[in-house]
Amino acid sequence: KNEVEQSPQNLTAQEGEFITINCSYSVGISALHWLQQHPGGGIVSLFMLSSGKKKHGRLIATINIQEKHSSLHITASHPRDSAVYICAAPLMDSNYQLIWGAGTKLIIKP
Amino acid sequence: NAGVTQTPKFQVLKTGQSMTLQCAQDMNHNSMYWYRQDPGMGLRLIYYSASEGTTDKGEVPNGYNVSRLNKREFSLRLESAAPSQTSVYFCASIKSNPGTGNTIYFGEGSWLTVV
Repeated sequence: KNEVEQSPQNLTAQEGEFITINCSYSVGISALHWLQQHPGGGIVSLFMLSSGKKKHGRLIATINIQEKHSSLHITASHPRDSAVYICAAPLMDSNYQLIWGAGTKLIIKP
Repeated sequence: NAGVTQTPKFQVLKTGQSMTLQCAQDMNHNSMYWYRQDPGMGLRLIYYSASEGTTDKGEVPNGYNVSRLNKREFSLRLESAAPSQTSVYFCASIKSNPGTGNTIYFGEGSWLTVV
């Protein structure tokens, strides 16, 4: 069983819809990363958060360390948001090793 | 542009051939990583280097060797390539941001096919 689970695996929505991607983990962590991978492969870091909420443009990430759950929200979704979104958590006793979710493939239709 | 640079972007190897994937970062980061990404699976850590002069095995190190030549460069070598090593390889480095946490920077990926 993967220690970091993402849901859904695939998500298709219409432009303008509010998007939620979830990440749950079974290991003790101090923080969690959200990353975006576009078709063609490039991976970009979106957020690292250890508590509460962070916002960047139309992207919002929340985390509840006690409940071992994080969400990534996209408001007013746009076709250019189509990508794979990945969450990753550093092992508690090391900031150097990350446990990766399998990713959520998001498609936003115009 | 500053960031993580990895080469080559594409490579086809025959089984048994050797090759080295190069990675360099110009951001003065201590930590560098090599991952592989296979369809339907999350990124898997091959090797990492917490600082210049140190390297450690990750989740899937078999068939690979690494070298942290200096603070900038972290190379991944396949001594005798196997079809199971067909994958996309990513190099990454981490910047520690006091107070706000770490930021991960990735190279653009290297698509390796072993036939």
